[in-house]
Amino acid sequence: AQSVSQHNHHVILSEAASLELGCNYSYGGTVNLFWYVQYPGQHLQLLLKYFSGDPLVKGIKGFEAEFIKSKFSFNLRKPSVQWSDTAEYFCAGPVSGNTPLVFGKGTRLSVIA
Amino acid sequence: DADVTQTPRNRITKTGKRIMLECSQTKGHDRMYWYRQDPGLGLRLIYYSFDVKDINKGEISDGYSVSRQAQAKFSLSLESAIPNQTALYFCATSPQGPPYNEQFFGPGTRLTVL
Repeated sequence: AQSVSQHNHHVILSEAASLELGCNYSYGGTVNLFWYVQYPGQHLQLLLKYFSGDPLVKGIKGFEAEFIKSKFSFNLRKPSVQWSDTAEYFCAGPVSGNTPLVFGKGTRLSVIA
Repeated sequence: DADVTQTPRNRITKTGKRIMLECSQTKGHDRMYWYRQDPGLGLRLIYYSFDVKDINKGEISDGYSVSRQAQAKFSLSLESAIPNQTALYFCATSPQGPPYNEQFFGPGTRLTVL
């Protein structure tokens, strides 16, 4: 079965530290990949998405992700985190245009001052 | 963002009660989804619907049923609630055409079954 895996359950960083959250997927076909963010007490919001083209995609709030097909990965990065980035981050991907998104289990990011 | 709304936002109920969670959207999307979120388990798909006449089971449909009353409305029912259905429930929508898979989420319903 197709799946999306996030390796880090909880990440704790100091402000200004760099962030990289891992995401791997298992599917050999064309993939569309997403990162969603859930701030405390809120619903999921789209951070960024990859459909095709440039494998380095930029999202909101300074986040970016790189699609590496050979590694089946779509890691999320941010050069310098802020306290307001404290949230849960979900990687997601479908297997085709006619299947719903499959979500990873999420990574909780805590940014401390 | 009020494009996808869910009612109620919070609900406490007792074991054995029937509960309905409602979702409405003004985005004009054909596709709608119900997920539940549990700590450490991420989002798991309960049911989804690609149009009014289409209903599909997701990963964890047991104990749940759905109704797609119109393009804009998709309800989730728990016929006889049990405590392990305590969770945060999200409705989501996506368009029929590209990008098919980008989903837009409602604010969530926090359900507690005692």
